[in-house]
Amino acid sequence: EVQLVGSGGGLVQPGRSLRLSCVGSGFNFDDYAMHWVRQAPGRGLEWVSGIDWNSGAAGSAASLKGRFTISRDNAKKSLFLQMNSLTPEDTALYYCARDKRRTVGGNPFDLWGQGTLVTVSS
Amino acid sequence: QSVLTQPPSVSGAPRQRVSISCSGSSSNIRNNAVNWYQQLPGKAPKLLIFYDDLLPSGVSDRFSGSKSGTSAFLAISGLQSEDEAEYFCATWDDTLRGVVFGGGTKVTVL
Repeated sequence: EVQLVGSGGGLVQPGRSLRLSCVGSGFNFDDYAMHWVRQAPGRGLEWVSGIDWNSGAAGSAASLKGRFTISRDNAKKSLFLQMNSLTPEDTALYYCARDKRRTVGGNPFDLWGQGTLVTVSS
Repeated sequence: QSVLTQPPSVSGAPRQRVSISCSGSSSNIRNNAVNWYQQLPGKAPKLLIFYDDLLPSGVSDRFSGSKSGTSAFLAISGLQSEDEAEYFCATWDDTLRGVVFGGGTKVTVL
């Protein structure tokens, strides 16, 4: 089955770090750019970060001010998001999503994971 | 405040046609393709329309997309109860150098 399965979410205190993971199966993981998209409770979708198929280029939302880092391990068919200096405003459901192409740009996200919930609270 | 502006909600009776607008600027919609996503309650988003007006395999042809200048549009014809969902537009922004989403539009079938 073609799918993405995210993990690593949970309850974390403000100022701490958390690392999310996403594993792809049923397709050639290294043929696609990958992204993280988040959705705060009752809110819309917000692009977080994207990375090219070979990690050659990556980008993140400017609003994150460099606190989050995206990476991937194609051998393990895995995507990661290292989140530092977390604040309550980072509380959201974090989705991993597959890009239709190899490089990050205005391409559609044609496969989504189920989401992993991150709650930042003391 | 989202970079792309969508109406918060639209509604229509069964079998009617509704349209959702997505307003942007020359740094995003005018120069880049627009994609649309459908999010059913409690579910992950699903690709509905890509590259302005293309339908992914398996998506009903009751859905259609178009673009004019700095605005894009999603139309749903023959509205059905299963179409009740939130719909998001998205595109690349050349100035922000990232993907931007609309705030989402909730479709209600009366």
